[in-house]
Amino acid sequence: GAGVSQSPRYKVAKRGQDVALRCDPISGHVSLFWYQQALGQGPEFLTYFQNEAQLDKSGLPSDRFFAERPEGSVSTLKIQRTQQEDSAVYLCASSLPRGRDTQYFGPGTRLTVL
Amino acid sequence: LAKTTQPISMDSYEGQEVNITCSHNNIATNDYITWYQQFPSQGPRFIIQGYKTKVTNEVASLFIPADRKSSTLSLPRVSLSDTAVYYCLVGEGNYGQNFVFGPGTRLSVLP
Repeated sequence: GAGVSQSPRYKVAKRGQDVALRCDPISGHVSLFWYQQALGQGPEFLTYFQNEAQLDKSGLPSDRFFAERPEGSVSTLKIQRTQQEDSAVYLCASSLPRGRDTQYFGPGTRLTVL
Repeated sequence: LAKTTQPISMDSYEGQEVNITCSHNNIATNDYITWYQQFPSQGPRFIIQGYKTKVTNEVASLFIPADRKSSTLSLPRVSLSDTAVYYCLVGEGNYGQNFVFGPGTRLSVLP
């Protein structure tokens, strides 16, 4: 595809449910990032992959958050036992591996936990 | 940690030039300055990146003084469609503990 795609665009979950958010990066992009963006705030880093390797997960807020990229392309962010404070927009970005390359962001998934 | 400070919001009128200044007093020698733009319901989009002096592309200009402790994003002749949040980031690469999106500057362009 021409850009980063994310699905679903909107997700409503009841508290305690598990959710899975998908990211399709730009073909050939080695680096993949997940961010969480609360209303009125800038994106906050969650985790970073280079190919299938998760090199940094320091931003994941709790052990309920889990991300994977098993084949080095599509990535899934999973949130277990969702809580109301998990409500946010989850953004995925991809880039080439060279250090200062632009991050290309997807449109995000808006998660609402009731 | 390099930290950036920018105005929370700015208003402008169509056709005016808008300058958004970002302070980054603790910028490191190897750090670059990158600006992103975010429209509602979209992910951020890269605008411009620079290391020193001036960089210009088809969208904006970036002015960086010699001490590199600040930078100014200049948008020429803004239109209503330039209404967005603008983020200033500093870092050696496109990732790392310094490459942080703050709250950004919310620019409102009025008719």
